[in-house]
Amino acid sequence: KNQVEQSPQSLIILEGKNCTLQCNYTVSPFSNLRWYKQDTGRGPVSLTIMTFSENTKSNGRYTATLDADTKQSSLHITASQLSDSASYICVVIPYNDYKLSFGAGTTVTVRA
Amino acid sequence: DAGVIQSPRHEVTEMGQEVTLRCKPISGHNSLFWYRQTMMRGLELLIYFNNNVPIDDSGMPEDRFSAKMPNASFSTLKIQPSEPRDSAVYFCASRDLGTGGMNTEAFFGQGTRLTVV
Repeated sequence: KNQVEQSPQSLIILEGKNCTLQCNYTVSPFSNLRWYKQDTGRGPVSLTIMTFSENTKSNGRYTATLDADTKQSSLHITASQLSDSASYICVVIPYNDYKLSFGAGTTVTVRA
Repeated sequence: DAGVIQSPRHEVTEMGQEVTLRCKPISGHNSLFWYRQTMMRGLELLIYFNNNVPIDDSGMPEDRFSAKMPNASFSTLKIQPSEPRDSAVYFCASRDLGTGGMNTEAFFGQGTRLTVV
């Protein structure tokens, strides 16, 4: 069973609207959690990083939250733009381990 | 730095042929990872090198897969013989696990899209 589960699998939103992506994980203990954005035909690029003691982290219109007690994270996209169309991958880095645990990703499509 | 550089970007080959994927990590990064990405399985770790030494190759699917890192600036992933089920996007990523510890970011290349027909 994957240790990182993401939902929804995909979503379509209109330009200018907000959306929230979910990530549930069982990796424990963990060092930090990252959200990556992967454009079509490109490699994943890190958006945000949070350690287990942080609750929220913003990067422009992207805001990530973390609840280490419930082992849940979310990525909120505000005022979506067409360029936000991509796959968003939740990545959990275990404590003192080089292996990254990847979620399957959420594919976001922003339409004009 | 130009980031992690992979070549080729696309490869189409016939079943049974040998395929070699190449990666140049970010200068100064001491760790290199090869991943495979498919729709069904997402990103899977194939092999991890630290200071040019293979540390974990448990993700390599079969003996048909092999990887080398002859020096700090170059790595190859070879599939011989290739099969249609090897079709996927192969990513190389590098990290600096020395100075930053396990918190450091993984920087990914653009990937090689492999199609075996």
